[in-house]
Amino acid sequence: QKEVEQDPGPLSVPEGAIVSLNCTYSNSAFQYFMWYRQYSRKGPELLMYTYSSGNKEDGRFTAQVDKSSKYISLFIRDSQPSDSATYLCAMTQTSGSARQLTFGSGTQLTVLP
Amino acid sequence: DTAVSQTPKYLVTQMGNDKSIKCEQNLGHDTMYWYKQDSKKFLKIMFSYNNKELIINETVPNRFSPKSPDKAHLNLHINSLELGDSAVYFCASRSRGGHTDTQYFGPGTRLTVL
Repeated sequence: QKEVEQDPGPLSVPEGAIVSLNCTYSNSAFQYFMWYRQYSRKGPELLMYTYSSGNKEDGRFTAQVDKSSKYISLFIRDSQPSDSATYLCAMTQTSGSARQLTFGSGTQLTVLP
Repeated sequence: DTAVSQTPKYLVTQMGNDKSIKCEQNLGHDTMYWYKQDSKKFLKIMFSYNNKELIINETVPNRFSPKSPDKAHLNLHINSLELGDSAVYFCASRSRGGHTDTQYFGPGTRLTVL
């Protein structure tokens, strides 16, 4: 079993829909949670960053972390065709100088105009 | 101004060859990484260097050898290439300290081994 499991997708939604992307994890030492967005043939770029449990909102994006359930989510409101990309969750522990990231396998999202 | 750059962007080569991928970051970061992304988009760390010192070396065949001539550069040399090495290789860098773990990724090098 992988440390981080992510809904495989692919996911296809109409423009304007609310999108929910999710990851579960098994390592209770993870404290920092991130969502990266990766456009086709590009490198991943950081979209959202959350420490411990709670919600964080940034424009149309909301990241949620539930450490008791070991479950994180990314919500995209009023989705746009430009949101079409692969979304990767990532997480890391507090200790260790390298702060190694463990990634989910990514969910490919297509927003149809 | 490109923050993390990689060369080449595409690399097509025969099995058994030796090849190198170069990475440079102009962000002044101390830590750099190499990741491998397979065809299913799974991104897995291979190596990490902090100020030219190797700090992470995941279970990677010893045909892969990273080299960091200075903290702005982290190159990856691959000997005796195999079919299974075909993937996209990403370089990344990260700033030191603080809570944020923002890693800045390069555009990737798409390696195809024939």
